[in-house]
Amino acid sequence: DSGVTQTPKHLITATGQRVTLRCSPRSGDLSVYWYQQSLDQGLQFLIQYYNGEERAKGNILERFSAQQFPDLHSELNLSSLELGDSALYFCASSRSGLAKNEQFFGPGTRLTVL
Amino acid sequence: GNSVTQMEGPVTLSEEAFLTINCTYTATGYPSLFWYVQYPGEGLQLLLKATKADDKGSNKGFEATYRKETTSFHLEKGSVQVSDSAVYFCALPRGNNAGNMLTFGGGTRLMVKP
Repeated sequence: DSGVTQTPKHLITATGQRVTLRCSPRSGDLSVYWYQQSLDQGLQFLIQYYNGEERAKGNILERFSAQQFPDLHSELNLSSLELGDSALYFCASSRSGLAKNEQFFGPGTRLTVL
Repeated sequence: GNSVTQMEGPVTLSEEAFLTINCTYTATGYPSLFWYVQYPGEGLQLLLKATKADDKGSNKGFEATYRKETTSFHLEKGSVQVSDSAVYFCALPRGNNAGNMLTFGGGTRLMVKP
């Protein structure tokens, strides 16, 4: 158990819909990262927050957005869903944003868009 | 930014065989290097890491040495078990800026047969 929790574990929805994925980092971790894992794209970084503020953006679509709240939990919002958005979405956390700090991953949310 | 290339799988071995999974990187400076493992149906777990050149990371019988001369971080295990069957990812921070997102190799699936 990494200490990072994600809900829900599975999500099945239809094209055009909007969903929210939730992540709670390990106690004491200030940085939260979101990654997408799909068969064709592999593991891709989406976005990072540090202590409530956006720190870095990766391959995140404009239809996707995220935020980190004062209690440090984070939410990833996916809207106007397409079939190609079906993937595993992982949240990870680290103590700070330093490159030497390892990231601890949650169990993921499996999103299926029908 | 930094990048990593790892050998494609799947790798199929018999129990107690020797394992090597190759990983080479391209990076500015000497970033930390990581191996993550993903067991079936689970999230990613940090397997081992090395934070500077010539460091050897080790965990659960797995080892990897940070070799700057060959820009490599190959994963090795002397005697694999069926329980080692998983997907292994080599990773490093994408860049040396404030954002610390990880960039991952494509993953190598290991299957160990009894």
